[in-house]
This record gives sequence, structure tokens and C-alpha cells, in this order.
Amino acid sequence: AQTVTQSQPEMSVQEAETVTLSCTYDTSESDYYLFWYKQPPSRQMILVIRQEAYKQQNATENRFSVNFQKAAKSFSLKISDSQLGDAAMYFCALTGTASKLTFGTGTRLQVTL
Amino acid sequence: DAGVIQSPRHEVTEMGQEVTLRCKPISGHDYLFWYRQTMMRGLELLIYFNNNVPIDDSGMPEDRFSAKMPNASFSTLKIQPSEPRDSAVYFCASSLRGAKGNQPQHFGDGTRLSIL
Repeated sequence: AQTVTQSQPEMSVQEAETVTLSCTYDTSESDYYLFWYKQPPSRQMILVIRQEAYKQQNATENRFSVNFQKAAKSFSLKISDSQLGDAAMYFCALTGTASKLTFGTGTRLQVTL
Repeated sequence: DAGVIQSPRHEVTEMGQEVTLRCKPISGHDYLFWYRQTMMRGLELLIYFNNNVPIDDSGMPEDRFSAKMPNASFSTLKIQPSEPRDSAVYFCASSLRGAKGNQPQHFGDGTRLSIL
């Protein structure tokens, strides 16, 4: 069975600052993929960033980057230069060979002026 | 390209009625997933299909729920009879299993279902 744990129900960051959202996971598979999805109030689920477990290099997408620690089974998301539009629920998710996603419980990010 | 299209966007109906949610996946995607999102339980996978064939329906809560995928461009999730506890946002997602493994799932905008 796969599990994903997000231990921060809520986080707050000031505009232009940097924030890190935590995620830990557990899986028995050696070949798996990790994702961060963003869900704004409009309720869309938007893919933010993706990491293949076999890649050692951390993924980056503009202001978004991850810190992937495979041995520790940790997959945190760093948002740099935070913007008001980054305010949303952020979900960490894991998929293995079975293709189905297992989601964490989410972290609500507030961005303040 | 059009994304995953779900209809209706909102559905309000009375307990006991049949509810049908619809999904059109992204063209060319060979996986389709149905999720349910509630405050209490978060995002739960209900069922998923590969090449129109149901692969895992272990998340379907009970026999009142059924899902079909008659062709590669259409799927339905049906609840009959509906109950107030079925109220939730239902998402459909699709993905493509590429040569390098699982590709990201692309989600529709969801259907907010309210059972009175």
C-alpha cells in the first residue's frame, strides 16, 4: 500500500518570500513518480511539478522546485518569490506501476501582503 | 487542445434520484480515473480504466455506484439511488502511459454534487 503524509494543514507566507511545503511518503515500489498539484478556490486541480524517483536531480519549474530525498522518502515543494496567485491548497501525490494516484491531505497556503 | 471535460458542473437533486456524471478525457489518453473529494476524506480514487476496461474499482463505496467507459472518449459515473452522504466534488482525470512510465494525470473541473 502507498501512503502520502502532509503534516502541515496550513502555511502562510508573505508576498515575495519563500515557503516550503513538506511531504513524506511510503511505497514498496522501486519505480514511482511524485507530483505536486495545486487546487485554487476555483477547485481545478493543476499540476505544479513532477519528479521521477529514478532521477537524482531535483525537478524545477520556474519559481517552483522540489527537494527530493529518496532515502528519507521526503518530497518537499519550495515556492520562491511567492505571489498572491499562489494561494491555494497544495496536494502531494504518488503513483507507482499501478498508475493510480495516492494523495496527501493537502496544505492550505495563504499569501499575505 | 481541450482538457478533460466534465458535465454537469453542478448538480442538485433529491435523495433517491439517479445521478449521472459525465466525462470526456483528453484525446489519445488511455487511462481514465474517477475521484471523489470531501472535507472529511479528502481525495479518494473510486475507479480507473485502461483502454476502456475497468482495472481497479476497489474505491467504489458500494453497489449504488457504477461506472462505465463505452468508448475511448466517454465515461459515466452513476449513483442510484443517491443519498445525502454522496454529496461531494467528483473529478475525472485522464493520463497517458508513455514509454518512460506514468505521465501526469490531467483533471477536469469537477462536478459539485449536492443531494438534498
